[in-house]
Amino acid sequence: KAGVTQTPRYLIKTRGQQVTLSCSPISGHRSVSWYQQTPGQGLQFLFEYFSETQRNKGNFPGRFSGRQFSNSRSEMNVSTLELGDSALYLCASSLSLSTPYEQYFGPGTRLTVT
Amino acid sequence: AQTVTQSQPEMSVQEAETVTLSCTYDTSESNYYLFWYKQPPSRQMILVIRQEAYKQQNATENRFSVNFQKAAKSFSLKISDSQLGDTAMYFCAFGETSGSRLTFGEGTQLTVNP
Repeated sequence: KAGVTQTPRYLIKTRGQQVTLSCSPISGHRSVSWYQQTPGQGLQFLFEYFSETQRNKGNFPGRFSGRQFSNSRSEMNVSTLELGDSALYLCASSLSLSTPYEQYFGPGTRLTVT
Repeated sequence: AQTVTQSQPEMSVQEAETVTLSCTYDTSESNYYLFWYKQPPSRQMILVIRQEAYKQQNATENRFSVNFQKAAKSFSLKISDSQLGDTAMYFCAFGETSGSRLTFGEGTQLTVNP
């Protein structure tokens, strides 16, 4: 079974632009979570989607948004990029909300904002 | 809100020896999950071991075992017979029983020396 895939793997954007990152969960998994990893703040939870509904959201500004499609694939969008948005963005998938312990992470998207 | 603390930013161990990584957490929940994740230089987050709080027996996975002290809110990871491939950043994480949100510690960089 294929693992969690994230595209693109690397991205360079300019301050003020917007960006969309994609995450395809393991086949059959319906829950997708997103995390931001930076050297200064560590790993921080962004949001969680299940069955196309946002179930939980971390403490991030409204510039960060996401959505989930009917095939469980998820996208996250960051508008008006700031230098501090440079980070590794990780997504994780799990079968359902009742199996949080079986989370599998993707390889991440490295976003650099210049 | 949950917090997870890893007080050892860096550790090193000789190949074939045993090393213990520390983690403490704070929560008002009575049931939850605890995890250790490994992140090698490839940045792929890999689940090492998980513990369900209602289970008193400490989890073990081959060379990896935990010492779970619920009353003390402590969750340490012991790696036996350390191998060069164990070199990685190790994250302790807290998971709720509903939903997929994980709260991570700051991480411990483990280096296994030949």
